[in-house]
Amino acid sequence: NAGVTQTPKFQVLKTGQSMTLQCAQDMNHEYMSWYRQDPGMGLRLIHYSVGAGITDQGEVPNGYNVSRSTTEDFPLRLLSAAPSQTSVYFCASSSQGLAAYNEQFFGPGTRLTVL
Amino acid sequence: KNEVEQSPQNLTAQEGEFITINCSYSVGISALHWLQQHPGGGIVSLFMLSSGKKKHGRLIATINIQEKHSSLHITASHPRDSAVYICAVNSGGSNYKLTFGKGTLLTVNP
Repeated sequence: NAGVTQTPKFQVLKTGQSMTLQCAQDMNHEYMSWYRQDPGMGLRLIHYSVGAGITDQGEVPNGYNVSRSTTEDFPLRLLSAAPSQTSVYFCASSSQGLAAYNEQFFGPGTRLTVL
Repeated sequence: KNEVEQSPQNLTAQEGEFITINCSYSVGISALHWLQQHPGGGIVSLFMLSSGKKKHGRLIATINIQEKHSSLHITASHPRDSAVYICAVNSGGSNYKLTFGKGTLLTVNP
């Protein structure tokens, strides 16, 4: 099993550009989530999904869109990138929807810089 | 929202020392997670616990629900234990969301 994969590993964007960060898992996990990690701050939840077709907002959703058309994939879209979105992005998954009670599996992260 | 505080922020130890990292939270929780983030950035789950104590190798995690406090202990520390250790709890009544502490940077010198 590859676990949780993320692409790309690194990305540089100009302000206003759009892009999609890819996340996939091959463990048939119900729950998938996106976090951003900034210096001096804990991981912060952007969006999460408890199954195909079901998504909800986390703590910092503004500027990001998600969809979950399959169990395996959970892409994160930046519609118009801003310098404030410079961060390291982690995707995570767990076997069931109740994140509190289930071990989280993290992808390797995507380092995004917005100029 | 559940506030999560970790202490210390930074910890330097000599190989072989006993390490304790603390985590406090402000609102009652369903479960608490301890994770490890390697220098390269990868994050792995160490423990998930809702009561008592868990042990895995040289790592021990304890939680006191009444005091809203958890500790992560590392016995006979080794340079390979050098990493950031992160505590996370479910966010303010929601079992679908996790709130993370800022992490404790542990450096173990040979």
